[in-house]
Amino acid sequence: SAVISQKPSRDICQRGTSLTIQCQVDSQVTMMFWYRQQPGQSLTLIATANQGSEATYESGFVIDKFPISRPNLTFSTLTVSNMSPEDSSIYLCSVEVGEDGGYTFGSGTRLTVV
Amino acid sequence: GENVEQHPSTLSVQEGDSAVIKCTYSDSASNYFPWYKQELGKRPQLIIDIRSNVGEKKDQRIAVTLNKTAKHFSLHITETQPEDSAVYFCAASGRGSQGNLIFGKGTKLSVKP
Repeated sequence: SAVISQKPSRDICQRGTSLTIQCQVDSQVTMMFWYRQQPGQSLTLIATANQGSEATYESGFVIDKFPISRPNLTFSTLTVSNMSPEDSSIYLCSVEVGEDGGYTFGSGTRLTVV
Repeated sequence: GENVEQHPSTLSVQEGDSAVIKCTYSDSASNYFPWYKQELGKRPQLIIDIRSNVGEKKDQRIAVTLNKTAKHFSLHITETQPEDSAVYFCAASGRGSQGNLIFGKGTKLSVKP
């Protein structure tokens, strides 16, 4: 199954700044997914990242706030821009692990905005 | 788009008892239904999944059932143990096997020794 390396694992950031989160997969995958998990809540899909095309954002999420890069089939970044305390969450990337393998998650980035 | 409802939000059982968590989904085109276990401070881990061409799947103490007609699926844990205590999330693939997952709100399961 695919292994995802996600970094940073955690960060404390000043409001108004930006943070870029990276996910590296040990195999080529068509799509990568970015999720947000607010404290004590479920996972909410932010966007789907395809290599070679613009990411597809879910309702309530916009590219200016959460720009995504997908330069190749093993790597993606999510940037949280112009952060406010409301952006404090865990951010996770995910990939599908083969046709019958389900979806696996990175270890998550715990972001605190002060 | 897909919407997944999960019940109950909290569940407390005695060690050795069974636990059942139920989910409903809205998109009849969804065809993949995984269950994840998330322990505090850790990433969600896939524990079992089922596809729409199967009605039931079992893996040791864990089973999942799917009723496509009613658009609901359930997680069954038998002989619960304290280490089963965690938050469990159901999900549905809103766009087929190559699509993204839409999650339920989660169930916090507590297994009392």
